[in-house]
Amino acid sequence: AQKVTQAQTEISVVEKEDVTLDCVYETRDTTYYLFWYKQPPSGELVFLIRRNSFDEQNEISGRYSWNFQKSTSSFNFTITASQVVDSAVYFCALSDPNYNTDKLIFGTGTRLQVFP
Amino acid sequence: NAGVMQNPRHLVRRRGQEARLRCSPMKGHSHVYWYRQLPEEGLKFMVYLQKENIIDESGMPKERFSAEFPKEGPSILRIQQVVRGDSAAYFCASSLATGSYNEQFFGPGTRLTVL
Repeated sequence: AQKVTQAQTEISVVEKEDVTLDCVYETRDTTYYLFWYKQPPSGELVFLIRRNSFDEQNEISGRYSWNFQKSTSSFNFTITASQVVDSAVYFCALSDPNYNTDKLIFGTGTRLQVFP
Repeated sequence: NAGVMQNPRHLVRRRGQEARLRCSPMKGHSHVYWYRQLPEEGLKFMVYLQKENIIDESGMPKERFSAEFPKEGPSILRIQQVVRGDSAAYFCASSLATGSYNEQFFGPGTRLTVL
């Protein structure tokens, strides 16, 4: 069965600290997609990144970076020099496109609080 | 191009009433997904629909919940005889197609409160 685990329930940091959010996934399939979404206090879901299982290159976008390691089934997310506006719940998700549906399996989320 | 629209954004119902949640997908999208987010939890898949067809309802509760996506008009998630445990945020997402993965675009959600 597919599963996404975000073991960190809540993380608190002070502004300008770097923070890494962990995501571990389980799937028996060789083709899959991984995602990160941000849910700010306003409640909407903001798409951050999609990565397919064949692309293990790390990605950097501004202060955000992602480390995908198939060997450990992990897709971790790092925010460099965190800011108060980064305070939100972050969800990691997995999609398996092999069965005529692209439904997303979400982790339980990590609440990040960045204090000034 | 307008994004995915959901209405109402907030809905309050008393126990036993019916709740109807609407989702208008992005223009040109014919695939709709519904997810439920219980308080302090992650999103859980409920149902996947294409126009006039339910493709995957493996996440739908067996009773009181139904979904449709008619040829014309929005997708509707209907909850009959609501109970307090139905209080949650319900998100709709739409995509262009499936297969070689097409991104799901999420709506702002409907927050249902059952008194």
